[in-house]
Amino acid sequence: AQSVTQLGSHVSVSEGALVLLRCNYSSSVPPYLFWYVQYPNQGLQLLLKYTSAATLVKGINGFEAEFKKSETSFHLTKPSAHMSDAAEYFCAVRASGGSYIPTFGRGTSLIVHP
Amino acid sequence: NAGVTQTPKFQVLKTGQSMTLQCAQDMNHNSMYWYRQDPGMGLRLIYYSASEGTTDKGEVPNGYNVSRLNKREFSLRLESAAPSQTSVYFCASTPNTDTQYFGPGTRLTVL
Repeated sequence: AQSVTQLGSHVSVSEGALVLLRCNYSSSVPPYLFWYVQYPNQGLQLLLKYTSAATLVKGINGFEAEFKKSETSFHLTKPSAHMSDAAEYFCAVRASGGSYIPTFGRGTSLIVHP
Repeated sequence: NAGVTQTPKFQVLKTGQSMTLQCAQDMNHNSMYWYRQDPGMGLRLIYYSASEGTTDKGEVPNGYNVSRLNKREFSLRLESAAPSQTSVYFCASTPNTDTQYFGPGTRLTVL
C-alpha cells in the first residue's frame, strides 16, 4: 500500500520568493512519484515525475523536485514565484511494478502575493 | 486532437434523479479513470478501466456504476443521486506511461 502526505493545505509566498511545497510518501516497494498542477476551473496536468532515474527531476514552468529515499520525501521547489504559479498542487505516488493507479495527496494551494 | 473531453460541464440534480457523465479520449489510451474531487480531500478514485471491456472499483465506488463502451469512451452513472455526491468529477486516461491526462471536469450539485 502507498500513501502521500502533503504538509500544509495552503502556502503563501510573495512574487519572486522561493516556492517550497512539501510531500512525504509511504510505499512498501520503490515508488514512482508525481507532481500535478491544477489551475482554477481546470483539470490536472503533470508538472514532473520521478520513475527511478535521476533523483533531481526538472519539470515545466521552472519547477523541480528531488527524490530523497532516506527522508521519504519528494518536495517541489521553484526559485522565484510568479503570479501565474497560483494554483492547487497535488503530489501522487504509485508502486513500481503495480497497476497504473496513483494515490493522490490532499493538495496544497499556492497563493502568490504581488 | 481534443485530448480528454467530458460532458456536461455543469449539472444540477434533485435527490433521487439519475444521470450519466460522459468521457471520451482520442489518444488511443488503454486505461481510463473516474475521480471525484472534494475540498481538502484531494482526488479519490471511483472506478477505473485498465482496458476495453474491463472495469474495477476504486476507493469510493458506492452509488456509482461505469461502462467502458469502447476504447475511447468511459461513462459514469449515478442511479439515484444523493447530496453526498455533490462534487467535481474528473475523467483521466493514460497510455500506461505514468502520465495521466485529465479532462476539464464536471461540476455536479445534488439538491
